[in-house]
Amino acid sequence: EPEVTQTPSHQVTQMGQEVILRCVPISNHLYFYWYRQILGQKVEFLVSFYNNEISEKSEIFDDQFSVERPDGSNFTLKIRSTKLEDSAMYFCASSPDRGKEKLFFGSGTQLSVL
Amino acid sequence: GESVGLHLPTLSVQEGDNSIINCAYSNSASDYFIWYKQESGKGPQFIIDIRSNMDKRQGQRVTVLLNKTVKHLSLQIAATQPGDSAVYFCAEIPYGQNFVFGPGTRLSVLP
Repeated sequence: EPEVTQTPSHQVTQMGQEVILRCVPISNHLYFYWYRQILGQKVEFLVSFYNNEISEKSEIFDDQFSVERPDGSNFTLKIRSTKLEDSAMYFCASSPDRGKEKLFFGSGTQLSVL
Repeated sequence: GESVGLHLPTLSVQEGDNSIINCAYSNSASDYFIWYKQESGKGPQFIIDIRSNMDKRQGQRVTVLLNKTVKHLSLQIAATQPGDSAVYFCAEIPYGQNFVFGPGTRLSVLP
């Protein structure tokens, strides 16, 4: 079965540093998402992306966050100046359609901000 | 605001028994529901889905029941196995909107 792949699986960074989390969604999917999960808490929506632009974002997704689809396969999440509270598992997901079909999740990137 | 929640945060069952995980939702506009399974260190994996025009759907060893009258969703796992140990999330999706995940129930299968 096709899958969403994320790299790296673990990322350790110093507070204030920029990080880029990478994702390769399933090739024929049109909608892309980033979610995060702080340890022991529920999965929280960050942003959705369609047709090369953000379609929706949550209040978590502030000016420190940005997303990009630099080519036909990658989908990235950038955090410009990381804070301690950005430490979480970040999941990329994709879907062939929005709100009508299941999301396929990657295995996540564990981000630790020191 | 609208939210999805779970009745039981943890559930322990004996291997071989049936498991029932419950979820309450509050958005009456939700027309699509999904159960995800999350094993430690992994991303959520799709288990089964159901649309609002159905009240029951069966998969392999799993059944999802939807009661729209009381806005309740349940996941039944038959003959629970050690590999079923995980956190289970329900998600509701109002038409054309993003998924809203519940907080999760941890299922522990006892030998």
